[in-house]
Amino acid sequence: NAGVTQTPKFQVLKTGQSMTLQCAQDMNHNSMYWYRQDPGMGLRLIYYSASEGTTDKGEVPNGYNVSRLNKREFSLRLESAAPSQTSVYFCASSEASGRGYGYTFGSGTRLTVV
Amino acid sequence: GQQLNQSPQSMFIQEGEDVSMNCTSSSIFNTWLWYKQDPGEGPVLLIALYKAGELTSNGRLTAQFGITRKDSFLNISASIPSDVGIYFCAGRTGTASKLTFGTGTRLQVTL
Repeated sequence: NAGVTQTPKFQVLKTGQSMTLQCAQDMNHNSMYWYRQDPGMGLRLIYYSASEGTTDKGEVPNGYNVSRLNKREFSLRLESAAPSQTSVYFCASSEASGRGYGYTFGSGTRLTVV
Repeated sequence: GQQLNQSPQSMFIQEGEDVSMNCTSSSIFNTWLWYKQDPGEGPVLLIALYKAGELTSNGRLTAQFGITRKDSFLNISASIPSDVGIYFCAGRTGTASKLTFGTGTRLQVTL
Protein backbone atom coordinates (compact mmCIF):
# COMPACT_ATOMS: atom_id res chain seq x y z
CA ASN A 1 0.00 0.00 0.00
CA ALA A 2 1.14 3.54 -0.76
CA GLY A 3 2.29 5.56 2.19
CA VAL A 4 5.11 6.31 4.60
CA THR A 5 7.18 3.43 5.97
CA GLN A 6 9.26 3.78 9.13
CA THR A 7 11.80 1.35 10.53
CA PRO A 8 12.32 0.10 13.14
CA LYS A 9 8.98 0.12 14.97
CA PHE A 10 10.57 -0.32 18.40
CA GLN A 11 14.08 0.29 19.70
CA VAL A 12 15.82 0.31 23.07
CA LEU A 13 19.17 2.11 23.29
CA LYS A 14 21.67 2.62 26.04
CA THR A 15 22.73 6.18 26.84
CA GLY A 16 25.49 7.22 24.46
CA GLN A 17 24.65 4.75 21.71
CA SER A 18 23.87 5.95 18.21
CA MET A 19 21.21 4.89 15.76
CA THR A 20 19.45 5.92 12.58
CA LEU A 21 15.69 5.93 12.09
CA GLN A 22 14.70 5.24 8.51
CA CYS A 23 11.77 6.70 6.60
CA ALA A 24 10.63 6.16 3.01
CA GLN A 25 7.57 7.39 1.09
CA ASP A 26 6.24 6.23 -2.27
CA MET A 27 3.82 9.06 -3.02
CA ASN A 28 6.33 11.22 -4.92
CA HIS A 29 6.01 13.92 -2.26
CA ASN A 30 8.58 16.67 -2.23
CA SER A 31 8.56 17.50 1.49
CA MET A 32 9.38 15.22 4.41
CA TYR A 33 9.39 15.77 8.17
CA TRP A 34 10.47 14.22 11.45
CA TYR A 35 8.37 14.80 14.58
CA ARG A 36 8.60 13.56 18.12
CA GLN A 37 5.54 12.96 20.27
CA ASP A 38 5.70 13.19 24.05
CA PRO A 39 2.77 13.01 26.50
CA GLY A 40 1.05 16.40 26.80
CA MET A 41 3.40 17.99 24.26
CA GLY A 42 1.70 17.13 21.02
CA LEU A 43 3.85 16.76 17.91
CA ARG A 44 7.04 18.77 17.82
CA LEU A 45 9.01 19.24 14.62
CA ILE A 46 12.63 18.09 14.79
CA TYR A 47 13.80 18.61 11.19
CA TYR A 48 12.21 18.90 7.82
CA SER A 49 13.18 18.77 4.17
CA ALA A 50 11.14 21.02 1.92
CA SER A 51 12.59 19.38 -1.18
CA GLU A 52 15.29 16.93 -2.18
CA GLY A 53 18.68 18.35 -1.31
CA THR A 54 17.50 20.71 1.44
CA THR A 55 17.06 20.26 5.18
CA ASP A 56 16.08 22.74 7.90
CA LYS A 57 15.84 22.74 11.66
CA GLY A 58 12.48 22.59 13.31
CA GLU A 59 11.44 23.34 16.86
CA VAL A 60 13.60 20.77 18.71
CA PRO A 61 16.66 19.88 16.56
CA ASN A 62 19.32 19.54 19.28
CA GLY A 63 20.81 16.06 19.50
CA TYR A 64 19.64 15.02 16.03
CA ASN A 65 20.88 15.05 12.46
CA VAL A 66 19.06 14.25 9.24
CA SER A 67 19.85 13.15 5.71
CA ARG A 68 17.58 13.50 2.67
CA LEU A 69 19.10 10.60 0.80
CA ASN A 70 16.87 11.01 -2.28
CA LYS A 71 13.31 12.09 -2.96
CA ARG A 72 11.89 8.97 -1.27
CA GLU A 73 14.05 8.68 1.85
CA PHE A 74 14.64 10.90 4.88
CA SER A 75 16.61 9.52 7.83
CA LEU A 76 17.00 10.78 11.40
CA ARG A 77 20.19 10.07 13.32
CA LEU A 78 20.84 10.19 17.05
CA GLU A 79 24.62 10.41 17.46
CA SER A 80 24.71 9.96 21.24
CA ALA A 81 21.33 8.98 22.65
CA ALA A 82 20.12 10.51 25.93
CA PRO A 83 17.17 9.52 28.15
CA SER A 84 15.48 12.80 27.18
CA GLN A 85 15.21 11.42 23.65
CA THR A 86 12.88 8.65 24.79
CA SER A 87 9.82 9.35 22.66
CA VAL A 88 7.70 8.23 19.76
CA TYR A 89 9.12 9.46 16.46
CA PHE A 90 6.97 10.06 13.41
CA CYS A 91 8.01 10.66 9.85
CA ALA A 92 5.61 12.42 7.47
CA SER A 93 5.52 13.63 3.89
CA SER A 94 3.51 16.16 1.91
CA GLU A 95 3.32 18.18 -1.27
CA ALA A 96 5.91 20.95 -1.32
CA SER A 97 3.76 24.04 -1.28
CA GLY A 98 0.39 25.49 -2.01
CA ARG A 99 -2.72 24.12 -0.37
CA GLY A 100 -1.59 20.53 -0.29
CA TYR A 101 -3.76 18.01 1.50
CA GLY A 102 -1.91 17.78 4.77
CA TYR A 103 0.70 15.30 5.81
CA THR A 104 0.76 11.54 5.49
CA PHE A 105 2.32 10.00 8.58
CA GLY A 106 4.16 6.76 9.16
CA SER A 107 3.13 4.50 12.04
CA GLY A 108 5.97 5.64 14.28
CA THR A 109 9.13 4.39 15.98
CA ARG A 110 8.94 3.90 19.74
CA LEU A 111 12.38 4.66 21.15
CA THR A 112 13.47 4.10 24.75
CA VAL A 113 16.85 5.30 25.95
CA VAL A 114 18.00 3.74 29.22
CA GLY B 1 7.35 30.33 17.59
CA GLN B 2 3.71 29.80 16.81
CA GLN B 3 1.60 28.21 19.50
CA LEU B 4 -1.59 26.25 19.11
CA ASN B 5 -3.67 25.79 22.23
CA GLN B 6 -6.07 22.89 22.02
CA SER B 7 -8.89 22.25 24.48
CA PRO B 8 -9.98 20.31 26.27
CA GLN B 9 -6.91 18.19 26.92
CA SER B 10 -9.05 15.11 27.50
CA MET B 11 -12.69 14.11 27.42
CA PHE B 12 -14.61 11.17 28.78
CA ILE B 13 -18.02 10.80 27.16
CA GLN B 14 -20.73 8.20 26.78
CA GLU B 15 -21.51 6.54 23.50
CA GLY B 16 -24.07 8.58 21.58
CA GLU B 17 -23.04 11.94 22.99
CA ASP B 18 -21.84 14.83 20.84
CA VAL B 19 -18.28 16.14 21.23
CA SER B 20 -16.82 19.61 20.70
CA MET B 21 -13.19 20.64 20.79
CA ASN B 22 -11.33 23.71 19.66
CA CYS B 23 -7.95 25.09 18.78
CA THR B 24 -6.74 28.68 19.14
CA SER B 25 -3.63 30.34 17.84
CA SER B 26 -1.62 33.46 18.56
CA SER B 27 -1.05 33.80 14.80
CA ILE B 28 -3.22 33.88 11.72
CA PHE B 29 -3.35 30.68 9.71
CA ASN B 30 -4.51 30.21 6.12
CA THR B 31 -5.07 26.48 6.46
CA TRP B 32 -6.48 24.46 9.33
CA LEU B 33 -6.35 20.68 9.47
CA TRP B 34 -7.74 18.14 11.90
CA TYR B 35 -6.10 14.75 12.46
CA LYS B 36 -6.99 11.67 14.48
CA GLN B 37 -4.44 9.33 16.00
CA ASP B 38 -5.52 5.81 16.90
CA PRO B 39 -3.55 4.07 19.66
CA GLY B 40 -0.21 2.84 18.34
CA GLU B 41 -0.58 4.52 14.96
CA GLY B 42 0.37 7.75 13.24
CA PRO B 43 -2.12 10.62 12.84
CA VAL B 44 -4.54 10.44 9.92
CA LEU B 45 -6.07 13.48 8.22
CA LEU B 46 -9.79 13.95 8.91
CA ILE B 47 -10.71 17.37 7.54
CA ALA B 48 -8.91 20.25 5.81
CA LEU B 49 -10.14 23.88 5.85
CA TYR B 50 -8.82 26.59 3.55
CA LYS B 51 -11.01 29.67 3.96
CA ALA B 52 -12.14 31.77 6.94
CA GLY B 53 -15.71 30.82 7.89
CA GLU B 54 -15.57 27.54 5.98
CA LEU B 55 -17.63 24.71 7.44
CA THR B 56 -16.75 21.20 6.24
CA SER B 57 -18.17 17.80 7.15
CA ASN B 58 -16.82 14.29 6.91
CA GLY B 59 -19.51 11.86 8.03
CA ARG B 60 -20.28 12.58 11.69
CA LEU B 61 -17.42 15.07 11.89
CA THR B 62 -17.82 18.78 11.22
CA ALA B 63 -15.03 21.34 11.40
CA GLN B 64 -15.03 25.10 11.03
CA PHE B 65 -12.36 27.63 10.13
CA GLY B 66 -12.84 30.57 12.51
CA ILE B 67 -13.63 34.01 11.12
CA THR B 68 -10.60 35.55 12.83
CA ARG B 69 -8.39 32.87 11.19
CA LYS B 70 -6.92 32.27 14.64
CA ASP B 71 -9.15 29.40 15.65
CA SER B 72 -10.85 26.24 14.48
CA PHE B 73 -13.48 23.89 15.89
CA LEU B 74 -14.22 20.20 15.52
CA ASN B 75 -17.53 18.56 16.40
CA ILE B 76 -18.30 14.85 16.46
CA SER B 77 -21.94 13.86 16.56
CA ALA B 78 -23.34 10.68 18.10
CA SER B 79 -19.98 9.32 19.26
CA ILE B 80 -19.17 5.63 18.92
CA PRO B 81 -16.41 3.53 20.53
CA SER B 82 -14.13 3.75 17.48
CA ASP B 83 -13.96 7.53 17.94
CA VAL B 84 -11.49 6.88 20.77
CA GLY B 85 -8.10 8.43 20.12
CA ILE B 86 -6.18 11.68 20.14
CA TYR B 87 -7.42 14.52 17.95
CA PHE B 88 -4.88 17.09 16.75
CA CYS B 89 -5.44 20.41 15.11
CA ALA B 90 -2.75 21.78 12.81
CA GLY B 91 -2.28 25.09 11.05
CA ARG B 92 -0.27 26.43 8.18
CA THR B 93 0.74 29.99 7.30
CA GLY B 94 1.64 31.18 3.82
CA THR B 95 2.27 28.64 1.11
CA ALA B 96 5.07 26.75 2.80
CA SER B 97 4.34 23.13 3.59
CA LYS B 98 5.29 23.14 7.26
CA LEU B 99 2.47 22.63 9.79
CA THR B 100 2.24 23.61 13.45
CA PHE B 101 0.38 21.07 15.59
CA GLY B 102 -1.73 21.51 18.70
CA THR B 103 -1.14 19.50 21.86
CA GLY B 104 -4.06 17.17 21.20
CA THR B 105 -7.40 16.25 22.76
CA ARG B 106 -7.63 12.70 24.07
CA LEU B 107 -11.13 11.27 23.65
CA GLN B 108 -12.44 8.29 25.60
CA VAL B 109 -15.87 6.85 24.85
CA THR B 110 -17.65 4.65 27.37
CA LEU B 111 -20.48 2.30 26.52
